[in-house]
Amino acid sequence: QVHLQQSGPGLVKPSQTLSLTCAISGDSVSSNSAAWSWIRQSPSRGLEWLGRTYYESRWHTDYAVSVQSRITVNPDTSKNQFSLLLNSVTLEDTAIYFCARETIFDSYFDHWGQGTLVTVSS
Amino acid sequence: DIQMTQSPSSLSASVGDRVTITCRASQSINSYLNWYQQKPGTAPKLLIYVASSLQSGVPSRFSGSGSGTDFTLTISSLQPEDLATYYCQQSYTTPRTFGQGTKVEIK
Repeated sequence: QVHLQQSGPGLVKPSQTLSLTCAISGDSVSSNSAAWSWIRQSPSRGLEWLGRTYYESRWHTDYAVSVQSRITVNPDTSKNQFSLLLNSVTLEDTAIYFCARETIFDSYFDHWGQGTLVTVSS
Repeated sequence: DIQMTQSPSSLSASVGDRVTITCRASQSINSYLNWYQQKPGTAPKLLIYVASSLQSGVPSRFSGSGSGTDFTLTISSLQPEDLATYYCQQSYTTPRTFGQGTKVEIK
């Protein structure tokens, strides 16, 4: 049974870096049949896919253009987890952040983390 | 980016009613369309994938149809536990994009 457990601070100051981690159990971050994504949700932007990492012969990452200059999604094979770094945050980055597994075949998000409310405030 | 537009944005129906939610993509996405249910305070839950395949464990009153740009989620007989917001999502290309959601309320 796949389980994703998120961790990280719920409060970040403007201009600083948002950092979240998603620990995976029941699957591997190096799986060749899954991709690992970060998605956020806010009243103003709805559900917004931010980026993903996956392994297919080598590591790949894809990012949304809206955050491309500020985001890094990194796998950590030693801890079987992946992380989100979003730098230079503003009030508009306040949202609930989810990690999720996407199957490579048929491409759907079948497992989600519990969500982390991140508030950007001084 | 592919824009996903859902209608209606909200609806109210009685227990036992047939409920239909539509989702339109801004360009053809073949059948790469997924539906999710989200209840307050929880993560979205996969209901339907590749337009019409029912996820394991999801009640058979949920069904999906469509291809190209127009898709439908149907609840054949609305139950009290179906109170939730429903989202479509395209997986044809990155960035993955979601509809704005349809909130289903029980009369």
